[in-house]
Amino acid sequence: DSGVTQTPKHLITATGQRVTLRCSPRSGDLSVYWYQQSLDQGLQFLIQYYNGEERAKGNILERFSAQQFPDLHSELNLSSLELGDSALYFCASSVAENNSPLHFGNGTRLTVT
Amino acid sequence: AQSVTQLDSHVSVSEGTPVLLRCNYSSSYSPSLFWYVQHPNKGLQLLLKYTSAATLVKGINGFEAEFKKSETSFHLTKPSAHMSDAAEYFCVVRPSNYQLIWGAGTKLIIKP
Repeated sequence: DSGVTQTPKHLITATGQRVTLRCSPRSGDLSVYWYQQSLDQGLQFLIQYYNGEERAKGNILERFSAQQFPDLHSELNLSSLELGDSALYFCASSVAENNSPLHFGNGTRLTVT
Repeated sequence: AQSVTQLDSHVSVSEGTPVLLRCNYSSSYSPSLFWYVQHPNKGLQLLLKYTSAATLVKGINGFEAEFKKSETSFHLTKPSAHMSDAAEYFCVVRPSNYQLIWGAGTKLIIKP
């Protein structure tokens, strides 16, 4: 058990809808990362937060947004969903901003129909 | 530019034989290097990491990796494969900034 909790485990929704994925980092970790894993794109870094502030942005679409709250949990919001957004979304946490290993949650599997 | 190349998309070995998963990187700096494993329908788990200490790094489940700067490689090895090692393995480079650069992954298949 990595100590990172992601909810929900599975999500099925229709195109055009909006969903929120939630992540609780490991106790003591200040940094949270979001990744998207799909069959055709592999593992894609989306965004990183550290202690509530955005630190780095990867291939995150404008339809997607995230935030990290004062209690350090994070939410990833996906809106105007398209079929191609179907993927596994992973959250990871680490102690520091950089140079520390990531601990991953088990992911949220999003299916857009 | 920084990059990571996992040279094999699939590796198939028989149970009890050695495992070699190859990874080459390109980095302008002295990077940190990691191997992660992902079992089916699970999250990613850190196997081992190199952060400029000993060049031979031992990880969990009997895996180890050797950092070879002259060859810009960080290959993952295990002397004897077990059925439970069947998974996808990712080599990751962290240059001296915030982001991780992920390899495309290598699927390890273990034949009984």
